[in-house]
Amino acid sequence: DSGVTQTPKHLITATGQRVTLRCSPRSGDLSVYWYQQSLDQGLQFLIQYYNGEERAKGNILERFSAQQFPDLHSELNLSSLELGDSALYFCASSGQAASTDTQYFGPGTRLTVL
Amino acid sequence: GESVGLHLPTLSVQEGDNSIINCAYSNSASDYFIWYKQESGKGPQFIIDIRSNMDKRQGQRVTVLLNKTVKHLSLQIAATQPGDSAVYFCAENGSSNTGKLIFGQGTTLQVKP
Repeated sequence: DSGVTQTPKHLITATGQRVTLRCSPRSGDLSVYWYQQSLDQGLQFLIQYYNGEERAKGNILERFSAQQFPDLHSELNLSSLELGDSALYFCASSGQAASTDTQYFGPGTRLTVL
Repeated sequence: GESVGLHLPTLSVQEGDNSIINCAYSNSASDYFIWYKQESGKGPQFIIDIRSNMDKRQGQRVTVLLNKTVKHLSLQIAATQPGDSAVYFCAENGSSNTGKLIFGQGTTLQVKP
């Protein structure tokens, strides 16, 4: 157990819908990262937050957004869902925001778009 | 563009043998490398990391080797056990000054009893 929690574990929805994925970092960690894992793209970095502020952005679609709250939990919002958004979404956390900080991953949310 | 690739998609080894998983990276500015293990239905689990000022680092039954000259990373697992069966990913931090990790495609390690 990494100490990172994610809810829900599974999510099934229809195209065009909007969903929210939730992540709680390890106790004391200030940085949260979101990654998408699909069969054809592998693990792709989406976005990083540090202490409530956006720190780095990857190839995140405009339909996707995220935020980190004062209690440091984070939410990833996916809207206007398409079939291709079906994937595993992982949250990771680290103590600080340095590029050499070890990232610990949560169990993931499996999103299925029908 | 930036890429981290693995040489072999699947590695099959006999229980008790040593395993070597290889990884090539393309970004010479990367100064931090990590190996993760992902079991079916779970998130990536940190195994071991290494910084670019080192060429070898050892953990419990695992060793990571870094060859910056040829941009090559390897993970050695000693006395491989059935519980080691999983997908192994290498990752690098790229040239950014953030926590963005660039992952390789992954190698499946199968341990035969």
